[in-house]
Amino acid sequence: GNSVTQMEGPVTLSEEAFLTINCTYTATGYPSLFWYVQYPGEGLQLLLKATKADDKGSNKGFEATYRKETTSFHLEKGSVQVSDSAVYFCALSPSGGSYIPTFGRGTSLIVHP
Amino acid sequence: DAGVTQSPTHLIKTRGQQVTLRCSPKSGHDTVSWYQQALGQGPQFIFQYYEEEERQRGNFPDRFSGHQFPNYSSELNVNALLLGDSALYLCASTPWDRVKDTQYFGPGTRLTVL
Repeated sequence: GNSVTQMEGPVTLSEEAFLTINCTYTATGYPSLFWYVQYPGEGLQLLLKATKADDKGSNKGFEATYRKETTSFHLEKGSVQVSDSAVYFCALSPSGGSYIPTFGRGTSLIVHP
Repeated sequence: DAGVTQSPTHLIKTRGQQVTLRCSPKSGHDTVSWYQQALGQGPQFIFQYYEEEERQRGNFPDRFSGHQFPNYSSELNVNALLLGDSALYLCASTPWDRVKDTQYFGPGTRLTVL
């Protein structure tokens, strides 16, 4: 079946540091890939997405590139802010007729001033 | 434009009881999905409703059932509650023709089973 694996958290950084959160997936065909963010006490919000190989999704300074050859979709940001502190979820939506999305376990990011 | 809304915000029940959670989708969206998010875990897909019918179902027992109304709002019902049902229940909506695309999530209902 489909699966998404994220790096364990928490990831703790100082403000303005570079961020990478690793995500790899297992799926047949060409799934769509997503990063969602969840702030404390809230639901998930879409951060960015990519629908085909080599696509780069970007939003609010965050980027991720769909790498089919390594089945990865790593999240990066060049300079994090305290307000980026949240839990980040990598997810996939399978290709084909059945829509049952798969989410990773989430990676907590803590940014200190 | 109101986003996805859910009620109630929090709920406390005891084992064996039944619970109903409610969701109103984002304006213009006709498809509603429900997820269970246990503490420290990612959301797990429960089921999805479109045109008042269950279209997809994840790996959840029949104790979990749902309904969609003509105005696209939806309910999630859980019978014979177990301690393990304690979780954040998320509702998400999307237009049916973009069902594989972005999901718009509500803030969730926190269910505690004692």
